[in-house]
Amino acid sequence: SQQGEEDPQALSIQEGENATMNCSYKTSINNLQWYRQNSGRGLVHLILIRSNEREKHSGRLRVTLDTSKKSSSLLITASRAADTASYFCATDQGSARQLTFGSGTQLTVLP
Amino acid sequence: DAGITQSPRHKVTETGTPVTLRCHQTENHRYMYWYRQDPGHGLRLIHYSYGVKDTDKGEVSDGYSVSRSKTEDFLLTLESATSSQTSVYFCAISPLLGEQFFGPGTRLTVL
Repeated sequence: SQQGEEDPQALSIQEGENATMNCSYKTSINNLQWYRQNSGRGLVHLILIRSNEREKHSGRLRVTLDTSKKSSSLLITASRAADTASYFCATDQGSARQLTFGSGTQLTVLP
Repeated sequence: DAGITQSPRHKVTETGTPVTLRCHQTENHRYMYWYRQDPGHGLRLIHYSYGVKDTDKGEVSDGYSVSRSKTEDFLLTLESATSSQTSVYFCAISPLLGEQFFGPGTRLTVL
């Protein structure tokens, strides 16, 4: 079963706009991570937020975590065409460093 | 791709034949993982390893076996391939802190 579920499944925006993707999960976590996948490529780690953190920034990325609602959001500011990709959240729940991935959000940034 | 390679990158095989996929890392990371990615399912964990000769099952392990005789190599074997195992297979490695680094993927087609 999938732990993380992203919303929306697909998002299309104009270059320069902000993109927000949401992730909901079901059980308690150690941390939550966001990954990007360009078409035909492997996943690339973007950012990790621990369960005791509420917000984290990395360049144009901002991630929030609300453990009471079991949800996270990824904000990409001032989007670029190169941000076009699928974005996945993944939750780390156990001691074996296992991750459970959601089904992803397909982001298209139009030039 | 963080010193991680997968071979082969593409393979077409017939139902009932054995198939072995190889994941090789140069990072000396302890944890290694095999995932499959199918449309609408994100990534699902097949097996993982937390050390040489130490492996465990993931969410979708039926029909798959793994071996890790050296730190750098993690093999995934389909003993008798079925059409339902047509997928893209990703290997990932992880250091201590939980984020994972992914290989480029192997596209497997079982006819």
